[in-house]
Amino acid sequence: AQSVTQPDIHITVSEGASLELRCNYSYGATPYLFWYVQSPGQGLQLLLKYFSGDTLVQGIKGFEAEFKRSQSSFNLRKPSVHWSDAAEYFCAVVFQTGANNLFFGTGTRLTVIP
Amino acid sequence: DAGVIQSPRHEVTEMGQEVTLRCKPISGHNSLFWYRQTMMRGLELLIYFNNNVPIDDSGMPEDRFSAKMPNASFSTLKIQPSEPRDSAVYFCASSSGRETDTQYFGPGTRLTVL
Repeated sequence: AQSVTQPDIHITVSEGASLELRCNYSYGATPYLFWYVQSPGQGLQLLLKYFSGDTLVQGIKGFEAEFKRSQSSFNLRKPSVHWSDAAEYFCAVVFQTGANNLFFGTGTRLTVIP
Repeated sequence: DAGVIQSPRHEVTEMGQEVTLRCKPISGHNSLFWYRQTMMRGLELLIYFNNNVPIDDSGMPEDRFSAKMPNASFSTLKIQPSEPRDSAVYFCASSSGRETDTQYFGPGTRLTVL
């Protein structure tokens, strides 16, 4: 079955610490992969996406993500977290079925401690 | 560009009333998506349109929900009659239509059905 999983519901990090948010998918091929961020009361904003090529993808706000085919993962990372990064982060996939609708993970809420 | 515009931002109504949510996609985009976000179910696709034509409405919960896109610059999502379990944040998103294209989200409509 096709699915996308974010194992961590809530993560707390100190400001300046590094961050890694996990995302795994289940699919017979490589889907198109996205990370979105949602600040409280706001819509979703794209951080980065991957669909081919270099498996390390750079995004906005200093985020990066690495696609690992062997692990069916697309984890989001940031070397030094800022207080303004506190938000909800969603991994999303488009399964290459000809339809271009996103399937979202359940999200990871990030809390940043000063 | 003004981005995706949704109205109203907040809607409070009583059970049994008709609710209409509105969306104006980004000019030039030919795919439009309606998502619903709840604590229980997370973000889920309700319906999406390509070139004003509904492509996949399998996410529409039941016959009480209907969506239209009469032209490239306007879409509505209607709930009639509304029920308390419809309370959620409803997002509209648009994209250029390819699977790898970024979906741009509106700010959402927070619907409360009493």
